[in-house]
Amino acid sequence: QQPVQSPQAVILREGEDAVINCSSSKALYSVHWYRQKHGEAPVFLMILLKGGEQMRHEKISASFNEKKQQSSLYLTASQLSYSGTYFCGTEASDKIIFGKGTRLHILP
Amino acid sequence: DSGVTQTPKHLITATGQRVTLRCSPRSGDLSVYWYQQSLDQGLQFLIQYYNGEERAKGNILERFSAQQFPDLHSELNLSSLELGDSALYFCASSGGDNSYEQYFGPGTRLTVT
Repeated sequence: QQPVQSPQAVILREGEDAVINCSSSKALYSVHWYRQKHGEAPVFLMILLKGGEQMRHEKISASFNEKKQQSSLYLTASQLSYSGTYFCGTEASDKIIFGKGTRLHILP
Repeated sequence: DSGVTQTPKHLITATGQRVTLRCSPRSGDLSVYWYQQSLDQGLQFLIQYYNGEERAKGNILERFSAQQFPDLHSELNLSSLELGDSALYFCASSGGDNSYEQYFGPGTRLTVT
């Protein structure tokens, strides 16, 4: 089952915060987060493992609620470089399934 | 530069044909993953190999096959190509110092005409 990401798109001004959510109907082993800029390959941001701690990558952090099978990506004090499409990938039964992505556009 | 290389960068071929995409993982990485990205389907996991053995399978069509060789490079073979197979094909590798992090190659853009 493909995880559901919300919102589909976000427009922010530089310095504002954003939250991107990812939810699954399946019991998950882990959640992966990637960012992809237009015309480029996805770049790994972080992975959250079942029973693991909240992760951070620069000013981006994420959490994983195992009971609800949900993960949230928090972008603090967004920078222009944060623009792109954010994908969550949920891992269950050794397979990773990606959400449709959340497009994030940061305005100066 | 992620350290993962993919060839060719672009491939244009006709329906019914067969193509081979090649991926060289980062030095020291044992796992190779293949993904397909198209506009309407998003990013789809196809298959994973670990040290030469198939580890996990995603939504890979029977017309597609892959293998990982002793030197750890991998090939994705696509046969009886259809228009709908047009997409970006990414390979990623992991299994070095931080075994969970996947490093993506630049991708191969396949166009089937």
